[in-house]
Amino acid sequence: KAGVTQTPRYLIKTRGQQVTLSCSPISGHRSVSWYQQTPGQGLQFLFEYFSETQRNKGNFPGRFSGRQFSNSRSEMNVSTLELGDSALYLCASSPTQQGGGRDTQYFGPGTRLTVL
Amino acid sequence: ILNVEQSPQSLHVQEGDSTNFTCSFPSSNFYALHWYRWETAKSPEALFVMTLNGDEKKKGRISATLNTKEGYSYLYIKGSQPEDSATYLCAAPEGGGADGLTFGKGTHLIIQP
Repeated sequence: KAGVTQTPRYLIKTRGQQVTLSCSPISGHRSVSWYQQTPGQGLQFLFEYFSETQRNKGNFPGRFSGRQFSNSRSEMNVSTLELGDSALYLCASSPTQQGGGRDTQYFGPGTRLTVL
Repeated sequence: ILNVEQSPQSLHVQEGDSTNFTCSFPSSNFYALHWYRWETAKSPEALFVMTLNGDEKKKGRISATLNTKEGYSYLYIKGSQPEDSATYLCAAPEGGGADGLTFGKGTHLIIQP
């Protein structure tokens, strides 16, 4: 099976712009989670989608949003970019067989966002 | 928001030595405890998902134990090799039946030849 794919891999934006990142999960996986990785904060949970519904959200401002399509592909959007949004954004998919956070998450390669 | 903590933050180990590090998590409303290995320039790779108190899991030279009553897990690496150099992350589900994980800040392991 193909792994989790993320596009684009690298992105440079300026403050105030908005950005959309895309994630295609492993075939058959219906849950997609998004994470932000920064050197100071480590890997932080943004949100999780299952069957086109956001099931959980981390402690991020409303500028961060996401959605999931019927084919389980997911996008996340960051509006009004700030310098502090520079980070590696990872998505992960899981098969949701056991539920309750007991399923392994499979990570994509990430999108490196730089905000100038 | 869960509080998942890992120690030590970094560790230098001689090749061939064994080592271990700790993950602590809230013992109430426990669902699962995940361990991941994250090598530079790669994606985090799942090592274990542990769900039962007293669980012990093994993958090659790496093993993990789980104590849900006191809220900690240990990861052990036996006979460290240079390819074991990575950041080891533990994580617990956010809860509510969803799959999103709260990660600790990781233990950065460097194996010195």
